[in-house]
Amino acid sequence: AAGVIQSPRHLIKEKRETATLKCYPIPRHDTVYWYQQGPGQDPQFLISFYEKMQSDKGSIPDRFSAQQFSDYHSELNMSSLELGDSALYFCASSDSNNSPLHFGNGTRLTVT
Amino acid sequence: AQKVTQAQTEISVVEKEDVTLDCVYETRDTTYYLFWYKQPPSGELVFLIRRNSFDEQNEISGRYSWNFQKSTSSFNFTITASQVVDSAVYFCALSEAQGTYKYIFGTGTRLKVLA
Repeated sequence: AAGVIQSPRHLIKEKRETATLKCYPIPRHDTVYWYQQGPGQDPQFLISFYEKMQSDKGSIPDRFSAQQFSDYHSELNMSSLELGDSALYFCASSDSNNSPLHFGNGTRLTVT
Repeated sequence: AQKVTQAQTEISVVEKEDVTLDCVYETRDTTYYLFWYKQPPSGELVFLIRRNSFDEQNEISGRYSWNFQKSTSSFNFTITASQVVDSAVYFCALSEAQGTYKYIFGTGTRLKVLA
């Protein structure tokens, strides 16, 4: 079965650079969630989208922005990167029937 | 406010032992969902189970079983006859049943199964 696809799997950036993470949800899933998991931490909710509109916002820094496109894929844009942004970033998707979240394999971002 | 507590930071067991991972939650919602996810060393989050707040029946799936007790706000997870492949971090999570369904995760329990 198709799963949530995230790219890239690994990303290394320097401080003050920008990064773009991509997420392709499971087909026919209309809701996308982004989570950030720091080393040894639990995943923290950043932001979610339903039908291309932002549906909820968590602890997402102002330096980050995200959107969901007409094909339901989503991108997380991160600017002025800081060392503390180094983390595993997960995307998850679900459908309108409130299915359990299916997570992608994550993008591991390292800021040096 | 919603909160999930996994008091056990790390547990080590020897293969074939049974192990129970504890999860206690707080919510003011009357309708909510509880989940368990497994995060193996490779890093992905693997869905194990979802339980809604109206369904207190215990569930068994192979070597896995879950005990949901609303009276004590607990949703514990037992692995019977543990195997080395069960070594992972296990997260309990809570979501509202209305709205955006975002998850609140516990801090996770690292399970080490020794051969």
